[in-house]
Amino acid sequence: QSVLTQPPSVSAAPGQKVTISCSGSSSNIGNNYISWYQQLPGTAPKLLIYDNSKRPSGIPDRFSGSKSGTSATLGITGLQTGDEADYYCETWDSSLSAWVFGGGTKLTVL
Amino acid sequence: EVQLVESGGGLVKPGGSLRLSCAASGFIFSNYNMNWVRQTPGKGLEWVASLSGSSTNIYYADSVKGRFTVSRDNAKNSLYLQMNSLRVEDTAVYYCARILPPAAIDYWGQGSLVTVSS
Repeated sequence: QSVLTQPPSVSAAPGQKVTISCSGSSSNIGNNYISWYQQLPGTAPKLLIYDNSKRPSGIPDRFSGSKSGTSATLGITGLQTGDEADYYCETWDSSLSAWVFGGGTKLTVL
Repeated sequence: EVQLVESGGGLVKPGGSLRLSCAASGFIFSNYNMNWVRQTPGKGLEWVASLSGSSTNIYYADSVKGRFTVSRDNAKNSLYLQMNSLRVEDTAVYYCARILPPAAIDYWGQGSLVTVSS
């Protein structure tokens, strides 16, 4: 059971928008920055969002991140078939002194 | 170009040991804290260990504490994970990863598969 809770799957049609939630507590999301990663099949994870809402160089602005209290959200607009992947949230947990990941959300672009 | 290349994975019996290595290039290795993260086949990501650039600060997941040891050699731009008393549940792909402060991972290796089976 993951410390951070994500929905197992989400789906939407090409061109549409989807959001992926990540729920935690005051010891992790509530008081630390959150990051989001995309993992395409058979590849290593890739950083999409860091410090709650910043995008690394090369990540299109179709990807956005936000945080409110002990929850965070990844948004993806203009969905493309190439966005089909697993998405993970991650942060530091101050009580556990550990990096924690969500269980992952599989995005299907119908 | 930042590159992280893991090696040392393989098949080992329960109770056995294995040492993973990660060769880093394209950045000043000693300036960065590093992580090991693993992923069980078909499952999610699990953080394993963190090591600061100077090896001053070390953190381990409870699941590997006392069995795994993370270390680095900044002169060789290398990160290591010594895994002892391996269990079947340690079977996973192990990723070497660079930390973007305060708590993100901006670069990942390609992963090294460790299989613990009799």
